[in-house]
Amino acid sequence: DGGITQSPKYLFRKEGQNVTLSCEQNLNHDAMYWYRQDPGQGLRLIYYSQIVNDFQKGDIAEGYSVSREKKESFPLTVTSAQKNPTAFYLCASNSGAAGTKNEKLFFGSGTQLSVL
Amino acid sequence: AQRVTQPEKLLSVFKGAPVELKCNYSYSGSPELFWYVQYSRQRLQLLLRHISRESIKGFTADLNKGETSFHLKKPFAQEEDSAMYYCALSGRGYNKLIFGAGTRLAVHP
Repeated sequence: DGGITQSPKYLFRKEGQNVTLSCEQNLNHDAMYWYRQDPGQGLRLIYYSQIVNDFQKGDIAEGYSVSREKKESFPLTVTSAQKNPTAFYLCASNSGAAGTKNEKLFFGSGTQLSVL
Repeated sequence: AQRVTQPEKLLSVFKGAPVELKCNYSYSGSPELFWYVQYSRQRLQLLLRHISRESIKGFTADLNKGETSFHLKKPFAQEEDSAMYYCALSGRGYNKLIFGAGTRLAVHP
């Protein structure tokens, strides 16, 4: 099952703890995205990156941080500042370059984060 | 502001009945609209996009700029169509999608 790999599948966070969600892709895609999925709210964009060493905030970036040191990797850190972290997190990628209209997104299988 | 609205959280139909999942959008320019689907235990995946004007698995969707709608339709629902459906919008110059809240389609035998 290649393409985009997210790990772990389930993750538990304690109070005051930072946790990092992994997202790796072998599709040679330039653009990568993190979405948060909550019941009844659909998918909301947290951060996205159109190229290595560059990323932009999405609609709900507060309490999250990302890095894009390698083309194939886009880890998401949920910091202690995120007061309501329990959600399903989806990573996605596409080959879309900056300024172009969006192409098909390829999604990972997701990580369920819960607070202990 | 860009927004995608899917007014129905759940749509329940019987096999063979017509299906219409509603999607309305708010965008000042010329958007690109998409439908994504998530079947049980599978990844979210693209179903169709308006620019392709295609029919996938019997589903079609027409962009109506006057009504700012992009409803998904299928004349005869099948049980395997049961899934979560998300309408999404991408604006010119953007390289990211804005998703609606999703509609769960349940097709009963």
